[in-house]
Amino acid sequence: GENVEQHPSTLSVQEGDSAVIKCTYSDSASNYFPWYKQELGKRPQLIIDIRSNVGEKKDQRIAVTLNKTAKHFSLHITETQPEDSAVYFCAAITGNQFYFGTGTSLTVIP
Amino acid sequence: DVKVTQSSRYLVKRTGEKVFLECVQDMDHENMFWYRQDPGLGLRLIYFSYDVKMKEKGDIPEGYSVSREKKERFSLILESASTNQTSMYLCASSLGGQGARGEQYFGPGTRLTVT
Repeated sequence: GENVEQHPSTLSVQEGDSAVIKCTYSDSASNYFPWYKQELGKRPQLIIDIRSNVGEKKDQRIAVTLNKTAKHFSLHITETQPEDSAVYFCAAITGNQFYFGTGTSLTVIP
Repeated sequence: DVKVTQSSRYLVKRTGEKVFLECVQDMDHENMFWYRQDPGLGLRLIYFSYDVKMKEKGDIPEGYSVSREKKERFSLILESASTNQTSMYLCASSLGGQGARGEQYFGPGTRLTVT
């Protein structure tokens, strides 16, 4: 089955700096890559996604890039704010199966 | 606003007990999912269902079963709970027609402790 690896597991940045989280996947048939944000004690929520026919997608301060040849995709958060502090999960979808990465705990230091 | 609810936020059971975790969604979603969340392992898919009475195994189905008798309700069953099933269990739902490629809406989670 699919194997999704996510790095780093923890990330601390100063407020206003950028944060980058990277994921790799193994199954070339994967064709949908969402990112979920989970604040402490809350449920995961979708923040952005990208499909395999697109290389980059932006939504205000967040962007996701996809390199299908190298089988990796990344989440970029610019101008980080304290409310960006959370655990971020990447995922890869192959057919009807949903595979999550192990999560990145992002801390934005005011 | 999609609402996914789970029957309990916290549950403590003894080894060998049969455990039922209930999930209900109110948005007429076709797809429903059960995950467990463990530190360092992220979210792992246990079972999912794309229609009533339909179920498919996820990544870690061993020790679990599911039931989907009604569209809005998806139950996770631990036939004989074991200590290694102590975990946070998250239910999710999504619109049909997109397989697993639609946005998933998560419930608040059930923290299960098996002693």
